[in-house]
Amino acid sequence: AQTVTQSQPEMSVQEAETVTLSCTYDTSESDYYLFWYKQPPSRQMILVIRQEAYKQQNATENRFSVNFQKAAKSFSLKISDSQLGDAAMYFCAYCMEYGNKLVFGAGTILRVKS
Amino acid sequence: DVKVTQSSRYLVKRTGEKVFLECVQDMDHENMFWYRQDPGLGLRLIYFSYDVKMKEKGDIPEGYSVSREKKERFSLILESASTNQTSMYLCASLTGQGRPEAFFGQGTRLTVV
Repeated sequence: AQTVTQSQPEMSVQEAETVTLSCTYDTSESDYYLFWYKQPPSRQMILVIRQEAYKQQNATENRFSVNFQKAAKSFSLKISDSQLGDAAMYFCAYCMEYGNKLVFGAGTILRVKS
Repeated sequence: DVKVTQSSRYLVKRTGEKVFLECVQDMDHENMFWYRQDPGLGLRLIYFSYDVKMKEKGDIPEGYSVSREKKERFSLILESASTNQTSMYLCASLTGQGRPEAFFGQGTRLTVV
């Protein structure tokens, strides 16, 4: 069964600094997708970034980038130049190539200090 | 814009009641999901559906059932609500092959008293 593990229940970062959130996953599949979702206090889930497993290049979206290590089954999220609006719960997620099951980790609460 | 709509934002039900949580999406997505969200446990998958009338158990299906009679609607049913089913429930739909993306409803905070 596919599982996603986020080992950091909570992280803090100073405004304008950089923070990295960790995620590991377990799968026997070779083709799949990984995601980071953000859930602010409004509860609305927002896609932050997506990585295709067949792509060696790490995905980036503005201040957000990932470090995807396929062999190690690791998928960390780096947030650069942190802003107060980045404060939220962040979830790492996995789904297989053809969708179907979408599995999430336990989440990491990110606090941003001014 | 893709829209996933859950029928209620807040719900209070009594122990033993049959509870229906409805979810509707407007983008013709084949895959739909129901999760419950509890502090420290993240989003746990209850059931998912990959087509009309097709369903599969997720990681915590006990005490729940689902119905998908039409592609746009995926219902979660608590046959006999219990206090340990007090939680936040999130519905999602997933785009197809290519560059999948999940879209979520606003969540339903269910309290069973």
